[in-house]
Amino acid sequence: NAGVTQTPKFQVLKTGQSMTLQCAQDMNHEYMSWYRQDPGMGLRLIHYSVGAGITDQGEVPNGYNVSRSTTEDFPLRLLSAAPSQTSVYFCASKSDAYNEQFFGPGTRLTVL
Amino acid sequence: DAKTTQPNSMESNEEEPVHLPCNHSTISGTDYIHWYRQLPSQGPEYVIHGLTSNVNNRMASLAIAEDRKSSTLILHRATLRDAAVYYCILRDAWDQGAQKLVFGQGTRLTINP
Repeated sequence: NAGVTQTPKFQVLKTGQSMTLQCAQDMNHEYMSWYRQDPGMGLRLIHYSVGAGITDQGEVPNGYNVSRSTTEDFPLRLLSAAPSQTSVYFCASKSDAYNEQFFGPGTRLTVL
Repeated sequence: DAKTTQPNSMESNEEEPVHLPCNHSTISGTDYIHWYRQLPSQGPEYVIHGLTSNVNNRMASLAIAEDRKSSTLILHRATLRDAAVYYCILRDAWDQGAQKLVFGQGTRLTINP
């Protein structure tokens, strides 16, 4: 299994541009999440999904959209990038509410 | 979510045991104690979790106080690869929709050769 994969690894955007961060998992996990990590801080939940077709907001959802059309994929869309969205973004998945989360390697995003 | 308190940093020597403490005085009866760690430039990885009894796995041991207000992650023989930020997190077992792992600042563990 490849586990949780994220693309791209690095991205530089200009203010106002839009883009989609990709996340995929091949473990048939129902639960998927997006986190952001700012320098020197812990991770904060952006959006999550408990299964295909179901998404919900985390603690810092503003400026981001998600959709979950398949079990495998959970893309994160930045609608109009702002410098405050400069961060490292991690996608995670797990099989159910109780088990461990598996994290992807992260996408380092810089917004100029 | 109940809050956890960890030291900002700790230092140990290679091949020695490391005890990483975590205080969670407001823990509820249904909160599981989870530990994750984050190696430099990587995503977090699961280490161990428990409810009441002490737990062991190939990576570490988790010792939980009898009143559950504190716990200790034990790395029995630290290696340089164990240098990471360690996060102690509480998860409510009954909150099935909860995706949120509330990551605090964690403890930055340095291992000296």
